Amino acid sequence: GAVVSQHPSRVICKSGTSVKIECRSLDFQATTMFWYRQFPKKSLMLMATSNEGSKATYEQGVEKDKFLINHASLTLSTLTVTSAHPEDSSFYICSARDRQGREKNYGYTFGSGTRLTVV
Amino acid sequence: RKEVEQDPGPFNVPEGATVAFNCTYSNSASQSFFWYRQDCRKEPKLLMSVYSSGNEDGRFTAQLNRASQYISLLIRDSKLSDSATYLCVVNNFNKFYFGSGTKLNVKP
Repeated sequence: GAVVSQHPSRVICKSGTSVKIECRSLDFQATTMFWYRQFPKKSLMLMATSNEGSKATYEQGVEKDKFLINHASLTLSTLTVTSAHPEDSSFYICSARDRQGREKNYGYTFGSGTRLTVV
Repeated sequence: RKEVEQDPGPFNVPEGATVAFNCTYSNSASQSFFWYRQDCRKEPKLLMSVYSSGNEDGRFTAQLNRASQYISLLIRDSKLSDSATYLCVVNNFNKFYFGSGTKLNVKP
């Protein structure tokens, strides 16, 4: 089945630094990738939708200058948390859609997530 | 109003029990529906899709009522390994909206 690799799985950084999270589709091409954030005991919240070769679409309330998304190829999307602060500490998960939509969930596969802790 | 609403639980049940979770969604134009399972500190994993006709996968049965905008998941003969958080997920125009999850604890 379709596999999405997300890296790193865990990162601790100092306040004010930037952190890049990568999401790769390993055996399929992903025209669209989604980035989610999950706070403890809360639901996953969609942050943005990234489309290969075009600008990302951000959900209301998500700062596009703080959460930079790049989807330069059909197999890679990156999320950069710029000038991270403790309130950005969260679980970030990407999801990619197989262009063929072959999976039973209409082609959506999730990465394993990145736990970001800003100290 | 939230896109998807779920009872957070927790549901504490003995092994072998039958347990049901419910979920409501706000957008009547939603196209597809799923139940995901999420273990502690892990990514969500697809449990099953939900169809209007109802569908069953082993001990799990999912139902969709479009008129009431209501989704359900029934788990029969609960196992210890079923302990997890169950997320109701709605797809609106290729965007997934997650419920906050219902926590299930199956006890021996």
